[in-house]
Amino acid sequence: QVTLKESGPGILQPSHTLSLTCSFSGFSLSTYGMGVSWIRQPSGKGLEWLASIWWNGNTYNNPSLKSRLTVSKDTSNNQAFLKVTSVDTADTATYYCAHPNWELGWFAYWGQGTLVTVSS
Amino acid sequence: DIVLTQSPALAVSLGQRATISCRASESVRSSMHWYQQKSGQQPKLLIYGASNLASGVPARFSGSGSGTDFTFTIDPVEADDIATYYCQQSRNDPTFGGGTKLELK
Repeated sequence: QVTLKESGPGILQPSHTLSLTCSFSGFSLSTYGMGVSWIRQPSGKGLEWLASIWWNGNTYNNPSLKSRLTVSKDTSNNQAFLKVTSVDTADTATYYCAHPNWELGWFAYWGQGTLVTVSS
Repeated sequence: DIVLTQSPALAVSLGQRATISCRASESVRSSMHWYQQKSGQQPKLLIYGASNLASGVPARFSGSGSGTDFTFTIDPVEADDIATYYCQQSRNDPTFGGGTKLELK
């Protein structure tokens, strides 16, 4: 059974760096084909894929956020991480981590999400 | 980016058929997936690969299409189906449609 759970700061100030953790079970990020993706959703709006990290260490970021995103993993502790630099109010959203299908790219499992508010 | 276009809302009566469309800005072959999101919850995968029912999803949900035009159908609609539905493509970097809010007439 795959489960994922996000954790984060809740609120942070503009220009700071957002750090999020995804703790998961039911799979290992050292196993071929396994990955974790990050997706966000501003309140009342749609979903935006941010980044993915795979078992082999490869990472893929949404080009629209350019170099503001960094994804990493701790295989031993079944965790994945997302950092977003230089946040502003537009980064206020619920952030989800999800478990993607390696070959065909759907997201079968999602965490419950963590709300991040950027405010001074 | 591949842009996915959905109608913002659809009003249906209980027991009737609901059909939601998703149009891609370029061909995604069959790499289209559908999610249901209820208020305050995370999205739930319903359909993958354009027409395949995800595990545990009732057979009244279905999907069809390929290339640029896709359809998601609920038949018949039940009260528990009131939610927002999103399409997502995985032909390139993942993108989502803007969502279609299913409402009761």
